[in-house]
Amino acid sequence: EPEVTQTPSHQVTQMGQEVILRCVPISNHLYFYWYRQILGQKVEFLVSFYNNEISEKSEIFDDQFSVERPDGSNFTLKIRSTKLEDSAMYFCASNTPPDTQYFGPGTRLTVL
Amino acid sequence: GNSVTQMEGPVTLSEEAFLTINCTYTATGYPSLFWYVQYPGEGLQLLLKATKADDKGSNKGFEATYRKETTSFHLEKGSVQVSDSAVYFCALLPGAGSYQLTFGKGTKLSVIP
Repeated sequence: EPEVTQTPSHQVTQMGQEVILRCVPISNHLYFYWYRQILGQKVEFLVSFYNNEISEKSEIFDDQFSVERPDGSNFTLKIRSTKLEDSAMYFCASNTPPDTQYFGPGTRLTVL
Repeated sequence: GNSVTQMEGPVTLSEEAFLTINCTYTATGYPSLFWYVQYPGEGLQLLLKATKADDKGSNKGFEATYRKETTSFHLEKGSVQVSDSAVYFCALLPGAGSYQLTFGKGTKLSVIP
């Protein structure tokens, strides 16, 4: 069964550094998403991406964040200058609406 | 705005016990409702869904009914197994062209033999 994959599984970085989280969505899906979950809190929507542009974004997704589909398979989330409060589990998802969103296993980001 | 509230965990049950995890929502319009499950070390997996009022979603012995009058989507299972130990998330999709899922906080279930 096709699945969404994410790398790395755990990323540790220093405050102020840039990080790129990578995702490979399911190949025939058209929409891609990033969500995050701060420890002990809700899973929160960050952004959705369709046809090479942002479709929706939340208030969390400020100028420090960007997304890109650099080639035909990868979907990335970049955080330009990480803050302590960016420490969270980041989930990638994909689908072709109205079908279910399929989630990856997540990347745990730790900002020191 | 949209929101989902689900019962706080953790919940610990003995094998074969009855499970209920409460979930209520606030939304405008006619959202779709979901239960996702996260097993240790894995991503979120869809467990079941319901797209309109009075629909019942079911999968692997789990059930939930979309109750518009009480704005609820409680998850139930008649007899839990150790393998059901996981974190369960209630979520809504607002529809009307928006595809952003709104999640509850998650309920950790531990089933002991």
